[in-house]
Amino acid sequence: GDSVTQMEGPVTLSEEAFLTINCTYTATGYPSLFWYVQYPGEGLQLLLKATKADDKGSNKGFEATYRKETTSFHLEKGSVQVSDSAVYFCAWRYNFNKFYFGSGTKLNVKP
Amino acid sequence: GAVVSQHPSWVICKSGTSVKIECRSLDFQATTMFWYRQFPKQSLMLMATSNEGSKATYEQGVEKDKFLINHASLTLSTLTVTSAHPEDSSFYICSAESGANTEAFFGQGTRLTVV
Repeated sequence: GDSVTQMEGPVTLSEEAFLTINCTYTATGYPSLFWYVQYPGEGLQLLLKATKADDKGSNKGFEATYRKETTSFHLEKGSVQVSDSAVYFCAWRYNFNKFYFGSGTKLNVKP
Repeated sequence: GAVVSQHPSWVICKSGTSVKIECRSLDFQATTMFWYRQFPKQSLMLMATSNEGSKATYEQGVEKDKFLINHASLTLSTLTVTSAHPEDSSFYICSAESGANTEAFFGQGTRLTVV
């Protein structure tokens, strides 16, 4: 059924390391895809999104490309910072309908 | 971006008691609010959708008499967990939308522990 699968955490990296968090989805049709980030004590914040195949969402050095062939939306960043430590959620939805979320991946970045 | 405030951030209650969680949109009118729940190591799962002034729509398997949702105004929705049991212990989070676009704004979540 409809779902999102993302890599389990926690992921621990040193500052300036390369980050990849894998995300694959199961959906009929072509939903919009999202990455949300949750910093400690705060709500989920939209990090980036892509609304159609081959679109690349980007923000704050993070990128993810909507891959229809592999039903994936992997999150990448070339050089992580300590301030990127947070929980990252992959999600999809059709317009104005409910979100389907992954279980979240906790990222710890060490100085 | 817009701000959604959820209160309380965490709560511990005794079995059999009721707990109310508030979700407020601080700087926009939320025509629709969603309530999600997350069990450890699992996905955020939608519990119900509420539209201002009408009854909430619950997802399959969610007991509407146990999880009472009220969306009485365009800036406030409440979730009341009635007769709480330890298995209701979870992370609850709300989101609010004005309906104008696809972006949803989330509260910071409430960690409920029932002892």
